[in-house]
Amino acid sequence: DAKTTQPPSMDCAEGRAANLPCNHSTISGNEYVYWYRQIHSQGPQYIIHGLKNNETNEMASLIITEDRKSSTLILPHATLRDTAVYYCIVRVIGGNTPLVFGKGTRLSVIA
Amino acid sequence: GAVVSQHPSWVICKSGTSVKIECRSLDFQATTMFWYRQFPKQSLMLMATSNEGSKATYEQGVEKDKFLINHASLTLSTLTVTSAHPEDSSFYICSAPTRTGGDGTQYFGPGTRLLVL
Repeated sequence: DAKTTQPPSMDCAEGRAANLPCNHSTISGNEYVYWYRQIHSQGPQYIIHGLKNNETNEMASLIITEDRKSSTLILPHATLRDTAVYYCIVRVIGGNTPLVFGKGTRLSVIA
Repeated sequence: GAVVSQHPSWVICKSGTSVKIECRSLDFQATTMFWYRQFPKQSLMLMATSNEGSKATYEQGVEKDKFLINHASLTLSTLTVTSAHPEDSSFYICSAPTRTGGDGTQYFGPGTRLLVL
């Protein structure tokens, strides 16, 4: 079973920041937080991951709370192409462990 | 990011036939690959873990004799759906971690849509 909880759906106006929350209150010290998204009829796309520090790349920013029990993915300027299902996943460090997908958040970016 | 390819991207077959799906890591080697299945409006479900040079490990409820997995090289894993039936119609997706251990990020193929008539 997935160890994360996400809202089932969210809307965001085009050009505005999209903030997607994720709860992972049972995360262990040796687990990363990963974010992926799946655009309709495609394979999941890697977005970003982090352990305890905030992270930023060309796609998004990841804010992890100090107690690591929750995180927020931020898409700074959402576009229509960002409409997708976003998955927050915790995964243990090391080894070749698979990703366990929950239901994710369906983000709809509206013009 | 790393690239994972799948072939074919879609396939239609008659009931009772076998279908082979290939998963390739194009710019990195993968000793492990994962196979997932996704039904409409559902999330991805892990089917099996493909290990180069050894037998695959299957998730509970997945028939190993029906879903044959072969990890022939460090860049290729194949999933064969044997004696396919309409209930096997689904979206099959593979993934591979870029490196063993550490925070080896997993990258996914584009998926293969299977329709069994």
